[in-house]
Order: sequence, then structure tokens, then C-alpha cells
Amino acid sequence: GENVGLHLPTLSVQEGDNSIINCAYSNSASDYFIWYKQESGKGPQFIIDIRSNMDKRQGQRVTVLLNKTVKHLSLQIAATQPGDSAVYFCAETGGTLPGGYNKLIFGAGTRLAVHP
Amino acid sequence: GAVVSQHPSRVICKSGTSVKIECRSLDFQATTMFWYRQFPKQSLMLMATSNEGSKATYEQGVEKDKFLINHASLTLSTLTVTSAHPEDSSFYICSARDVARRYEQYFGPGTRLTVT
Repeated sequence: GENVGLHLPTLSVQEGDNSIINCAYSNSASDYFIWYKQESGKGPQFIIDIRSNMDKRQGQRVTVLLNKTVKHLSLQIAATQPGDSAVYFCAETGGTLPGGYNKLIFGAGTRLAVHP
Repeated sequence: GAVVSQHPSRVICKSGTSVKIECRSLDFQATTMFWYRQFPKQSLMLMATSNEGSKATYEQGVEKDKFLINHASLTLSTLTVTSAHPEDSSFYICSARDVARRYEQYFGPGTRLTVT
């Protein structure tokens, strides 16, 4: 959900390891979920999305898992690289949320730090 | 494709003055654009939804007379911060939805506003 005022948690990984970033979303009515990557001083960049009728979706080096039972979303990055260092946000939208697909609700974000 | 630009990228203004930020979809038409604000180490907070040719819809707690939004064409939305104060200093990010794609929002690079 919307978390205002919280400092970003940090996930530190070694280059080449796999990373798993977790997100708890707020509304069971949401039916579309997106992961964004945000580098310092830049806007969010789309990584991967998933609809609620799926529980897993794979992209290039990334996998998103959706567990609707516990309202949990995760992003897995394989063979993490220094260029993956950024803040990662999950976002939810759609369904019967107020404003429907006009409203993206962002999670608090997780900072991924990749060490050589 | 799907590029969104913002201008300026950085702006410093004095307290009490107004500043205008532009958001353009460069290679697609956007009937809907969104304005977000992001404070350091925090998530994106939706401020308002801008629809071409109609009034913007503001989120609760966002002063519509202070944050003026105009969406005069399918490729341009502007946010004007009126009578700016130091607490308005933030990173302002716009996004745009392609009329041809139902769910996806494409984000601009953001505008760093500093009010002195």
C-alpha cells in the first residue's frame, strides 16, 4: 500500500547472485501488478507486469510471482549485475479500486545494492 | 517507443513564485496523464490525474488551487506550482497512458524542484 515516511529497506547482494525483492500489496481488488526500477534522479522504468489470473511470469533475467492468498508479490532477478542497483517499487492497479486503472498505488520500495 | 519527456529537469525558484513543469508524450497519444510527487527515500504519491480536454482529478489532500494542471492536447500536460514554498521542494514525475494500451503507464524522467 501507500507507505509514507518510511526509510527504504536495503537488500545487499553479491554480483552474480540471485535477488528476491518482496512486496505486500494492499487491496485484494487489484488485478494488475507492475514492478518498476528507479535509478537515482530518474523516473521509474517498467520491468515486468502480471495480471491476477496468473501466478508467475518470466522475462529476461526477471521473474514475478504473485500470491493472491496472502497479497504478496515478489521480483526475482537472476545473476544480479551492478547495473541492477536501484530502488525497486511494486505497484497495483485496476479491479474495483477507486479510479480503477487510473490509479497506480506504489509500494514503499526496496533499495538493491549489488556489490562486486 | 513510448517515450515521455519532462521539462525542465531541474528548477530552482524563490519562495512565492510559480513554476511550470511540462510533460510530453513524444511518440504516442495520451488521453490520460498522471502527476506524482516523490520525497527523498520515499515512494511515489499520486497527486492528480489529468484528462485531455477536461478538469484534472486531484487526490485527497492535494490543493487544486496550488497545483494547477492543464492537459490541452493529447501529447502535453502541464503542472504549475503556484506560490511555491520550501516544503514544495520535491521530485515531480509525470506518466502517460497510451490510448492504444489499456493498462500501461510510461513515466517521464522527473523534475527536481527546489524552492529557496
